[in-house]
Amino acid sequence: IAGITQAPTSQILAAGRRMTLRCTQDMRHNAMYWYRQDLGLGLRLIHYSNTAGTTGKGEVPDGYSVSRANTDDFPLTLASAVPSQTSVYFCASSERGGTYNEQFFGPGTRLTVL
Amino acid sequence: GQNIDQPTEMTATEGAIVQINCTYQTSGFNGLFWYQQHAGEAPTFLSYNVLDGLEEKGRFSSFLSRSKGYSYLLLKELQMKDSASYLCAVVDSNYQLIWGAGTKLIIKP
Repeated sequence: IAGITQAPTSQILAAGRRMTLRCTQDMRHNAMYWYRQDLGLGLRLIHYSNTAGTTGKGEVPDGYSVSRANTDDFPLTLASAVPSQTSVYFCASSERGGTYNEQFFGPGTRLTVL
Repeated sequence: GQNIDQPTEMTATEGAIVQINCTYQTSGFNGLFWYQQHAGEAPTFLSYNVLDGLEEKGRFSSFLSRSKGYSYLLLKELQMKDSASYLCAVVDSNYQLIWGAGTKLIIKP
């Protein structure tokens, strides 16, 4: 049982390039989330999805898009990467959204935009 | 605005007790989480408090005072493996998690 997997583990990207970070969970959780974690700051929510077919904006959505075609997958796309998007990205899931359910995190993707 | 405050870094000795504080000001309150995050790894769940008082779980305990906007995580019998960052997160009125920047705990032998 993998829980939540993310790919790639790390990536160096030229500014202006398009990039998709992949996230897959096998826990049949309804809700999924994308966070970024930067030194000295708390985790910040980028986008979330409370159920397949729906998505919502978090605290820092600009420059990012998501889709939720099915329960298991929740890819995050940077349409045109900029250096300020250099960060560690965590995908998370919870049994349900819109509640206080515990969130389970993937191992993270370390992204560097040059 | 919404704000979660935690000390940036703390140092403690192996075998001792340490208390990590968290104060919060958020739009609504639907509970408070503590997560542990080892360097280079994902956060993992430690505790959830929604009612005032102390919840004990082995060597770790978590306390909440909603009237004071205050929580602490108490770690007893510290072990070297407890060296990690400890993240406080509040569930706001929209059931979104608002995260503190985390407290890096350094354990010395």
